[in-house]
Amino acid sequence: GIQVEQSPPDLILQEGANSTLRCNFSDSVNNLQWFHQNPWGQLINLFYIPSGTKQNGRLSATTVATERYSLLYISSSQTTDSGVYFCAVRNSGNTPLVFGKGTRLSVIA
Amino acid sequence: ETGVTQSPTHLIKTRGQQVTLRCSSQSGHNTVSWYQQALGQGPQFIFQYYREEENGRGNFPPRFSGLQFPNYSSELNVNALELDDSALYLCASSKTSGNGEQFFGPGTRLTVL
Repeated sequence: GIQVEQSPPDLILQEGANSTLRCNFSDSVNNLQWFHQNPWGQLINLFYIPSGTKQNGRLSATTVATERYSLLYISSSQTTDSGVYFCAVRNSGNTPLVFGKGTRLSVIA
Repeated sequence: ETGVTQSPTHLIKTRGQQVTLRCSSQSGHNTVSWYQQALGQGPQFIFQYYREEENGRGNFPPRFSGLQFPNYSSELNVNALELDDSALYLCASSKTSGNGEQFFGPGTRLTVL
């Protein structure tokens, strides 16, 4: 099945810094989602981005499907951005959403 | 528009018992997927239901079973609980069973003693 690798596994930032999280996948995809998991376990949808670029406030994402990677950019980070960021992909109609192991982000004041 | 809801929030069971977890899908969504998330790991796909039929299953034993009802809500049943079943169980719904965006509920945290 499709493999998903996220990097870095852990990231510590000072408040106000920018960061880039990467997601590599091993096959073509028709669905790619970025999530933020809060300390209570809730997965919050950030982007649905099988290709192209999207922006939402301080967050933006780019997926280059032909090169099998996606990037999540966080600018001017805040302590509330702390948590685990997951990339998840699926590569055909009824295959499951496959998650990476996540990037744990800690933003310190 | 109501989001995905799950119940209960937390649950404690003993080894060998059976458990039922419940999920209500987001309004307008007909597909429900269940995931298991062990501590420190990403969610792992258990199975998916579309129009009351299971149409995809991950690498989980048959003691994990499910149902979907005509209103698209769903149940996850686990029989003969084992210690390793302790995890966060997440339900997700989507508009279609294909490549539609999935939206997750808050999860049920199951502890097996």
